[in-house]
Amino acid sequence: GAGVSQSPRYKVAKRGQDVALRCDPISGHVSLFWYQQALGQGPEFLTYFQNEAQLDKSGLPSDRFFAERPEGSVSTLKIQRTQQEDSAVYLCASSLARQENTEAFFGQGTRLTVV
Amino acid sequence: AQKITQTQPGMFVQEKEAVTLDCTYDTSDPSYGLFWYKQPSSGEMIFLIYQGSYDQQNATEGRYSLNFQKARKSANLVISASQLGDSAMYFCAMRGHTGNQFYFGTGTSLTVIP
Repeated sequence: GAGVSQSPRYKVAKRGQDVALRCDPISGHVSLFWYQQALGQGPEFLTYFQNEAQLDKSGLPSDRFFAERPEGSVSTLKIQRTQQEDSAVYLCASSLARQENTEAFFGQGTRLTVV
Repeated sequence: AQKITQTQPGMFVQEKEAVTLDCTYDTSDPSYGLFWYKQPSSGEMIFLIYQGSYDQQNATEGRYSLNFQKARKSANLVISASQLGDSAMYFCAMRGHTGNQFYFGTGTSLTVIP
């Protein structure tokens, strides 16, 4: 596709349910990022992939959060046993390269609401 | 530690006027990139402009320009000839030497008044 695609756009989960959020990056982009954005805040880093390798997961808030990118393209962010504090917009971004001079392109996000 | 600071939670500008959105940063990386993103109410983050830490000239992209002052560690965004469609949240971001993440500020909400 032309841009980064995320699905679903909206997800409502009951507390304790597991959810899976999908990100389809721009074709050929090496870098893939996941961010969490609370209402009225800036995006907070969750994790980073270079191709299929998860090089940085320092932002994952707990072991309930898990991300993968097995073939170096599509990525899935999984949240187990969702809690109310997980309610946020989850943004995925991809970048052509890892260098600091390369911009990232973002998807429209998945708005997760835990009830 | 890497940090981006945006001290203006909200800004107003008259249509067709210019506006400056402030951004300061802190890093110990030898090289880094500075970026501005626009986030309309629809939620998507839209890339606007990039400035490299070694670039001698300020970046420009159409109505957007970046006032880069390396010694002061500031990277202010200037929007000229504001339009109603410029009303949005604006985020300053930095990508460090490792390239592993973008560090974002808290954003500035810009409202363009007709």
